[in-house]
Amino acid sequence: EAGVTQFPSHSVIEKGQTVTLRCDPISGHDNLYWYRRVMGKEIKFLLHFVKESKQDESGMPNNRFLAERTGGTYSTLKVQPAELEDSGVYFCASSHGDNQPQHFGDGTRLSIL
Amino acid sequence: AQSVSQHNHHVILSEAASLELGCNYSYGGTVNLFWYVQYPGQHLQLLLKYFSGDPLVKGIKGFEAEFIKSKFSFNLRKPSVQWSDTAEYFCAVNALYSGAGSYQLTFGKGTKLSVIP
Repeated sequence: EAGVTQFPSHSVIEKGQTVTLRCDPISGHDNLYWYRRVMGKEIKFLLHFVKESKQDESGMPNNRFLAERTGGTYSTLKVQPAELEDSGVYFCASSHGDNQPQHFGDGTRLSIL
Repeated sequence: AQSVSQHNHHVILSEAASLELGCNYSYGGTVNLFWYVQYPGQHLQLLLKYFSGDPLVKGIKGFEAEFIKSKFSFNLRKPSVQWSDTAEYFCAVNALYSGAGSYQLTFGKGTKLSVIP
């Protein structure tokens, strides 16, 4: 089966611009998660979708981040406006059930200049 | 909030040496425990998991981990490492029955393993 796909693999933008990251989960996986790893730190949870609903968004850092999953398939994570501290690797993961192991994508490396 | 501690930031071993990576977590309730591995240039892959049952869990590529509830630990072991085990290893936990956040993973900071041929 195809794995979790993330696009783009790398994005370089200037402070104040907008960036949208995309995640395509494994087909049939209702649960989709976003995580972020800032350089030198641990991977941190951002939010969890079950189908198109936000189950848990306790990890979203602030209102500059907006995640959507229209139709319960792919998800987007928009950062607007981007700040320097948003740089890092953004991972997406999906799972069939909520108590099943999560499968991760390659990540999107976001660099804010 | 729960936390996960990985004791070693960078471990360097020669091939055939034994490996043990430490992992401790802080949550006192029911947990699922995971070790993920990220090989250079690849995505995070599940190495092994503990949900319930036998606390000694065997994973892929000869890895195993032991859940010791009294010590809040889930250490990763391999009796003889190979050069191809060079990667970054992450311990992760989810705290079940903790509400909406039950299924988010809390990760340790990761341990980089370098195996010298």
